[in-house]
Amino acid sequence: DAGVIQSPRHEVTEMGQEVTLRCKPISGHDYLFWYRQTMMRGLELLIYFNNNVPIDDSGMPEDRFSAKMPNASFSTLKIQPSEPRDSAVYFCASSPRTAWAKNIQYFGAGTRLSVL
Amino acid sequence: DAKTTQPPSMDCAEGRAANLPCNHSTISGNEYVYWYRQIHSQGPQYIIHGLKNNETNEMASLIITEDRKSSTLILPHATLRDTAVYYCMGPDTGNQFYFGTGTSLTVIP
Repeated sequence: DAGVIQSPRHEVTEMGQEVTLRCKPISGHDYLFWYRQTMMRGLELLIYFNNNVPIDDSGMPEDRFSAKMPNASFSTLKIQPSEPRDSAVYFCASSPRTAWAKNIQYFGAGTRLSVL
Repeated sequence: DAKTTQPPSMDCAEGRAANLPCNHSTISGNEYVYWYRQIHSQGPQYIIHGLKNNETNEMASLIITEDRKSSTLILPHATLRDTAVYYCMGPDTGNQFYFGTGTSLTVIP
């Protein structure tokens, strides 16, 4: 398996624009997580899905952020409108059901977002 | 609420064992301790986990104290590629992950 695949790897946009980050989890994994990493706040969990259903979105910073998982092999994180303070590295991770109790997550390479 | 405490940074000579400590005094009896690392500009990578027994895999060993209030991750023969930030964690409330600030390990040639 190729691992968790995120796209794009880098995104530069202007304030007010819509940004869509994409993630393909490892095939067969039941859980999908979105994280954000900044120097100031470290690595933060934004939302996670189980079998395509959002379970906990308490980490989503505000209504400008939304995440969907239309099927088991694809998820998006959308920011609309984007702001400079959204600049960060966004990671997607997935976990097989058998490993959930052990919290073993496999991370993608991340998307580095810069909002000008 | 299984928050953890780690030293912010450590150095280790190449080829020597790197011993990374973690305090998790609030961990409950059925919560695992997990270790991840993050090499610069990459996503975090799972290393090892344990409950109360010592564990070993191809990457590292994990020593957990009998009272489960602390643990040590051991990289037996550190290489330059082991330079990374190492995170120790247990499930947060609601069984979510809390990564904290970790320990920045620098392996010195």
